[in-house]
Amino acid sequence: ETGVTQTPRHLVMGMTNKKSLKCEQHLGHNAMYWYKQSAKKPLELMFVYSLEERVENNSVPSRFSPECPNSSHLFLHLHTLQPEDSALYLCASSQEWGIAKNIQYFGAGTRLSVL
Amino acid sequence: AQSVTQPDIHITVSEGASLELRCNYSYGATPYLFWYVQSPGQGLQLLLKYFSGDTLVQGIKGFEAEFKRSQSSFNLRKPSVHWSDAAEYFCAVVRGNTGKLIFGQGTTLQVKP
Repeated sequence: ETGVTQTPRHLVMGMTNKKSLKCEQHLGHNAMYWYKQSAKKPLELMFVYSLEERVENNSVPSRFSPECPNSSHLFLHLHTLQPEDSALYLCASSQEWGIAKNIQYFGAGTRLSVL
Repeated sequence: AQSVTQPDIHITVSEGASLELRCNYSYGATPYLFWYVQSPGQGLQLLLKYFSGDTLVQGIKGFEAEFKRSQSSFNLRKPSVHWSDAAEYFCAVVRGNTGKLIFGQGTTLQVKP
C-alpha cells in the first residue's frame, strides 16, 4: 500500500457544487499538507496541519476548507469554486512540522476541473 | 526571501545521453535542498537531498546532484538517461527552519528514442 493515498484521482464539478478531497497517510506521520499545482507555476502550499491542528494557512480563499480529524486523515472541502481553481491538488505528509530536515511524502494528487 | 530557479522549462535528450538539470537557489545560510520527480499522473517522489557534508549526493534511479555554494547551485545529473526518466523534475529548498518547501517551477524532461 502506498504511503499517501488521495481520492478521488479525478473530479469534475460545477461552480455551485460542494465536494471533498480525501487524503490518508499510512506512515505514522504527524504533519500533513495540501498543495495546489497549476500549470506552469511552482507548487503552492495551501495548508499545514500538525497533530490535527492547523498551523499554516497561506491566504487561501474561504471556498477551500480543510479538515484534519486525526493525524492519518486530511480533507479539503470545496464549495462554490471558480474555474481558475482547476488544478492538481497534492497532499503530503512528514514526520513532524517545523523541522528543516523533514522529508515530505506526496500522494498522487486529485486532478480537479471546475466547469 | 528564499527562492528557487530552474532556468530550463523543457529539455529533450536522447536515450543513453547524459543529463544535467539546473537549479539555482537564493538563501543566506546553508540550505537544505531537494530534488523531486513527478511522473505523468503521479505525485512527487524524492530523488535525493542535501543537508550537509559531501557536496556530491547520490539518489535513487541513478541520479546524483552536486551542491556548489559559490554558484548557489544544486544541479541534477544522470550519466545515461532511460526512456522511463521522462517526467517533470522539481528542485526545492527549505525555508528557514520551518520545514516549508519552496519549489522551483519545474523542468519537463522528454527522452527521444
